Amino acid sequence: QVQLQESGPGLVRPSETLSLTCTLSDYSITNGYYWVWFRQPPGKGLEWIGSIYHSGNTFYNPSLRSRITISVDTSRSQFSLELSSVTAADTAVYYCAKDQGFSFDSWGQGTLVTVSS
Amino acid sequence: QSALTQPASVSGSPGQSITISCTGTSGDIGRYDYVSWYQQHPGKAPKLLISDVNYRSSGVSVRFSGSKSGNTASLTISGLQAEDEADYYCTSYTSGTVIYVFGTGTKVTVL
Repeated sequence: QVQLQESGPGLVRPSETLSLTCTLSDYSITNGYYWVWFRQPPGKGLEWIGSIYHSGNTFYNPSLRSRITISVDTSRSQFSLELSSVTAADTAVYYCAKDQGFSFDSWGQGTLVTVSS
Repeated sequence: QSALTQPASVSGSPGQSITISCTGTSGDIGRYDYVSWYQQHPGKAPKLLISDVNYRSSGVSVRFSGSKSGNTASLTISGLQAEDEADYYCTSYTSGTVIYVFGTGTKVTVL
């Protein structure tokens, strides 16, 4: 299985932009598959944020569409998430994962992002 | 797009079987055989157990099985063990603008 690792700031100020990167280990992102971001607020359930293919084709959760950008860097086998105008409601553990085809078989360990001044 | 409905908690004694339901609509579970189930221990990432309604992921115990009838999917854990105590989530591909919808989550307690 591919190993995924999220990275980015653990603290973001309200109204600023949250930026996270997911790096694949020993695996080329161009091997196919969609690559996905999820989040999980503390004590709550999972939410799909969006998906990206190595070609750059994306699907976004409509509830976040106006604030999110997901991009891919094939040379580094990385994909990234930007979420703008964050509020306390965006505080969550953010996960990246591989979509093997309508299910998610490899996950990063997750990274907690807290929105606070 | 509403979340799929799961019972908040299910419990059982070691060795027993339990079933977790996941109820959706004709636009998700009822339309597609793309239901998957995940196990999540505290502080850990979700782990894929079942894909495409009833296919066990590699390395997953045969004690875990999935099924679907109409708009409701189910995960059955047989021979319940202490290590099965965790949160469980279902998810389904959907025909709506949200590509994937998750269940509300079920906490399994081994008595």
